[in-house]
Amino acid sequence: DAKTTQPNSMESNEEEPVHLPCNHSTISGTDYIHWYRQLPSQGPEYVIHGLTSNVNNRMASLAIAEDRKSSTLILHRATLRDAAVYYCIRNAGGTSYGKLTFGQGTILTVHP
Amino acid sequence: EPEVTQTPSHQVTQMGQEVILRCVPISNHLYFYWYRQILGQKVEFLVSFYNNEISEKSEIFDDQFSVERPDGSNFTLKIRSTKLEDSAMYFCASKLALETQYFGPGTRLLVL
Repeated sequence: DAKTTQPNSMESNEEEPVHLPCNHSTISGTDYIHWYRQLPSQGPEYVIHGLTSNVNNRMASLAIAEDRKSSTLILHRATLRDAAVYYCIRNAGGTSYGKLTFGQGTILTVHP
Repeated sequence: EPEVTQTPSHQVTQMGQEVILRCVPISNHLYFYWYRQILGQKVEFLVSFYNNEISEKSEIFDDQFSVERPDGSNFTLKIRSTKLEDSAMYFCASKLALETQYFGPGTRLLVL
């Protein structure tokens, strides 16, 4: 049970921003929100993670709702190479072993 | 940039045979994982390994599976007697501490 809910698929045009939503209404106070993506025929790749505050890195931004029950991964300018399955994962903070429980994710299609 | 490597990239075996999948995690990482992904399905956690012992395992990881870190650099997954349903992509991952997991490119196992 991944305990997160994501749309099955989304589409975007190249060079446009993409907002990928995730609901995690039962999140606990110590759960981090991680985003991974999986390009075709590759292993999962870390994108970004956060706890409470919005986060930015070179790949994306993560906007976390104030109540932490939802979050949004933002790709500021989608490229064809961003076409992948995007996974939103709750990961228990303070649990060093930290297995990742993947759901079905959101299949992102980017049109040229 | 350091990366997780896996060998072989593809393995074909006969049902009932033993297979060993090999992984070289990132050198200073402390936590090691195996996941699998059956074609068209989600990524599933198999086992985590820390301090030379299994820290957590899933229901999939039964007595037919074992893991080992024989020489301080390699991390192996052994399947003693393969079944048809073991056909999948197997991903190794590693992490340093309370941080992100880095995945390898995977080994595609086909059991005939």
